[in-house]
Amino acid sequence: EAGVVQSPRYKIIEKKQPVAFWCNPISGHNTLYWYRQNLGQGPELLIRYENEEAVDDSQLPKDRFSAERLKGVDSTLKIQPAELGDSAVYLCASSLKWELSEQYFGPGTRLTVT
Amino acid sequence: AQSVSQHNHHVILSEAASLELGCNYSYGGTVNLFWYVQYPGQHLQLLLKYFSGDPLVKGIKGFEAEFIKSKFSFNLRKPSVQWSDTAEYFCAVATSGTYKYIFGTGTRLKVLA
Repeated sequence: EAGVVQSPRYKIIEKKQPVAFWCNPISGHNTLYWYRQNLGQGPELLIRYENEEAVDDSQLPKDRFSAERLKGVDSTLKIQPAELGDSAVYLCASSLKWELSEQYFGPGTRLTVT
Repeated sequence: AQSVSQHNHHVILSEAASLELGCNYSYGGTVNLFWYVQYPGQHLQLLLKYFSGDPLVKGIKGFEAEFIKSKFSFNLRKPSVQWSDTAEYFCAVATSGTYKYIFGTGTRLKVLA
């Protein structure tokens, strides 16, 4: 079984530039999560999707961050414009459904904003 | 606000030593509890989970955790660690009432051969 796929693995951009991250969850997993993990911290949820619906985006900085999950499968997270403080690892995870399910994580995208 | 606390940020042990990593959460409702592990260069992966029933749960690689509801704790234990247990360990709580999934800050474990 293929795991959660993310790309790119690494990205270096200058501040004020846009950046996008892509995630393909495990087949059949309805729930998809985007997390941000700062150095020395645990993952912090940015947004959770149930199929194509964003059911929890309360922690997503909506002035610069956006996400979509068209057709309820793969997803894209975008930052525009990026700021220095956005440097972090962006993790995607998926699960069969939200409740009572463990999450399966992708390798993450390490973003450096210079 | 709900939160998860992991008291030990860095732990160094010798092989065969016993391990206990603390995890406390703040939420008064029903929770599902998890420990995840991230080995060097690898993805986060599930170590063990508690949903209901026996509060002592066993996971992979000889790890176990005990849910003590009165203490809001879910501590991770292993009787005898190995060098290969060197990794970062994250406690996570899923709150059924508020539908939040919250991770602790992690504990970085180093096992000396």
